Amino acid sequence: QLQLQESGPGLVKPSETLSLTCTVSGGSISSSSYYWGWIRQPPGKGLEWIGSIYYSGSTYYNPSLKSRVTISVDTSKNQFSLKLSSVTAADTAVYYCARQLKTVGTKTRPTNFDYWGQGTLVTVSS
Amino acid sequence: QSALTQPRSVSGSPGQSVTISCTGTSSDVGGYNYVSWYQQHPGKAPKLMIYDVSKRPSGVPDRFSGSKSGNTASLTISGLQAEDEADYYCCSYAGSYTPVVFGGGTKLTVL
Repeated sequence: QLQLQESGPGLVKPSETLSLTCTVSGGSISSSSYYWGWIRQPPGKGLEWIGSIYYSGSTYYNPSLKSRVTISVDTSKNQFSLKLSSVTAADTAVYYCARQLKTVGTKTRPTNFDYWGQGTLVTVSS
Repeated sequence: QSALTQPRSVSGSPGQSVTISCTGTSSDVGGYNYVSWYQQHPGKAPKLMIYDVSKRPSGVPDRFSGSKSGNTASLTISGLQAEDEADYYCCSYAGSYTPVVFGGGTKLTVL
């Protein structure tokens, strides 16, 4: 059974960089069948897609966050990571990692999220 | 403001059917068959209920069904049960530049 687990600091100071890692177990992050994504949910609000990565390193980012986001993959550790720079209180949220299905065709793109991590709350405060 | 529009809330009595709509544009919902629906109970991670408009993952009851007409996708829950009370989110592929967009979420109340 595939499992994803987010890890990282639960408290980040304003203007600093938020860093989270998602460890995948029960499956290989190097599979060509999936993308891997990050989603966040501010307290009491809806879901927001942050970005996605393929095992090859190809990335797609939400345009509203693109200037501050970096997603990377480490296939040797079966992990992928999120960095969000210059954080403010508005970045306080539960951050989820998830596996994504992909579009059909030669140039694939990420689509539906079929497995999710349990989520981790990150608070931005001094 | 979310890219996809969902009603803030819907309700129904046990045994009844409810439908949640998700309205987008021809650049997302209307343009591709990659609409998915997620159920989220308080304090829990979202769970995939429907993908590719109408496909059900293994283990999801057949009381849950999905469809699409034009730029609007729908999730129908028949034979409503108390445990169906949750927030529901739609999601759609929206092209190469912004592949993923979510709806704002709908709170389902079982009366």
